[in-house]
Amino acid sequence: GAVVSQHPSRVICKSGTSVKIECRSLDFQATTMFWYRQFPKKSLMLMATSNEGSKATYEQGVEKDKFLINHASLTLSTLTVTSAHPEDSSFYICSARADPSTGRGQYFGPGTRLTVT
Amino acid sequence: KQEVTQIPAALSVPEGENLVLNCSFTDSAIYNLQWFRQDPGKGLTSLLLIQSSQREQTSGRLNASLDKSSGRSTLYIAASQPGDSATYLCAVDRGSTLGRLYFGRGTQLTVWP
Repeated sequence: GAVVSQHPSRVICKSGTSVKIECRSLDFQATTMFWYRQFPKKSLMLMATSNEGSKATYEQGVEKDKFLINHASLTLSTLTVTSAHPEDSSFYICSARADPSTGRGQYFGPGTRLTVT
Repeated sequence: KQEVTQIPAALSVPEGENLVLNCSFTDSAIYNLQWFRQDPGKGLTSLLLIQSSQREQTSGRLNASLDKSSGRSTLYIAASQPGDSATYLCAVDRGSTLGRLYFGRGTQLTVWP
């Protein structure tokens, strides 16, 4: 199956600092990438959708100035958590979607555990 | 709005049993449906993808069926093993330009030796 990587897998940062998480599709070009947040024992919550070269579409209630998304190429999207607070501590997962004409679904990264102290 | 429901929420069985996990969705106009597996603290692993024109897909001990008209999908796991213990999620792609997935809450499966 397709491979999507995330970096870092774990990060601990202090309140007020910013953290960048990278999501890469390693063996296919992703027309669209998605960022999710997952709280313990809960399902995934979609935060935003990003298409290469255009602005991200954020879900209702997600602060776009706090969670900056950049989709610079067909294989890379980044999520920057700005001015992090302890309540931003969570598990962040990205997914990548190939062109629908390929008949492929979505593939998920391994996730990034963010802890804000 | 597409709503996805999974039943049961949790399932605990002895190894060797054949299992059926259920997924239902409210809007039958879907592009595809995927079944994923998630281990604790990990990302999602795609198990099976069923296109809207297909009725089922098989991979090893896993078989997923799709009945679009009734808004249902089932994941069948044959001869379950302790290594199958995980949370199983189904997700529907409506095929819009954005292509977002609509997830169920998952079925937490425990297979004990």
